[in-house]
Amino acid sequence: EAQVTQNPRYLITVTGKKLTVTCSQNMNHEYMSWYRQDPGLGLRQIYYSMNVEVTDKGDVPEGYKVSRKEKRNFPLILESPSPNQTSLYFCASKTAKNIQYFGAGTRLSVL
Amino acid sequence: RKEVEQDPGPFNVPEGATVAFNCTYSNSASQSFFWYRQDCRKEPKLLMSVYSSGNEDGRFTAQLNRASQYISLLIRDSKLSDSATYLCVVNRNNDMRFGAGTRLTVKP
Repeated sequence: EAQVTQNPRYLITVTGKKLTVTCSQNMNHEYMSWYRQDPGLGLRQIYYSMNVEVTDKGDVPEGYKVSRKEKRNFPLILESPSPNQTSLYFCASKTAKNIQYFGAGTRLSVL
Repeated sequence: RKEVEQDPGPFNVPEGATVAFNCTYSNSASQSFFWYRQDCRKEPKLLMSVYSSGNEDGRFTAQLNRASQYISLLIRDSKLSDSATYLCVVNRNNDMRFGAGTRLTVKP
């Protein structure tokens, strides 16, 4: 089954404790991205990657890092989480015709 | 001004009603357009792409007006299962911009 898998689905952590949210896709898509979704603001792009070893900042990259060492994986790293990073996060991969497939989401709370 | 704007709603309609959503975008160089559906606490899923000539998929019709920079979604004969948030998405050179969504509730 074609899918984007992200883990964990739910995470509660404390300020400053490094965390990684994993994302994997099995559709051989070159383009992958991370979004955060906050009430009233819609989805905002954090980082995206056009291909292996190529990453670029989206609209809200501050406080996040990503890597793309393999085509299928695109982890999101929060080196020192803060409460304003409490949000719902989605990973997505995209076809050449710009159709996006999203993971099920990661609900993060930073205390 | 946001790049993609939608009326947040909520739209509360009875079963069987016809409902229409509009979305405006600010970048005239935008190239492709989509409607996504998002159920509560779940991931967005593609509902339909939007083509310049307009397109229909069952009870759903999408229209694009490039001159006025808006796209629309029409849902006919609403079902309870249509209750969701509908996201307008605009793309330019791999830069995907999302509206904040329009919430629809279909009631018996």
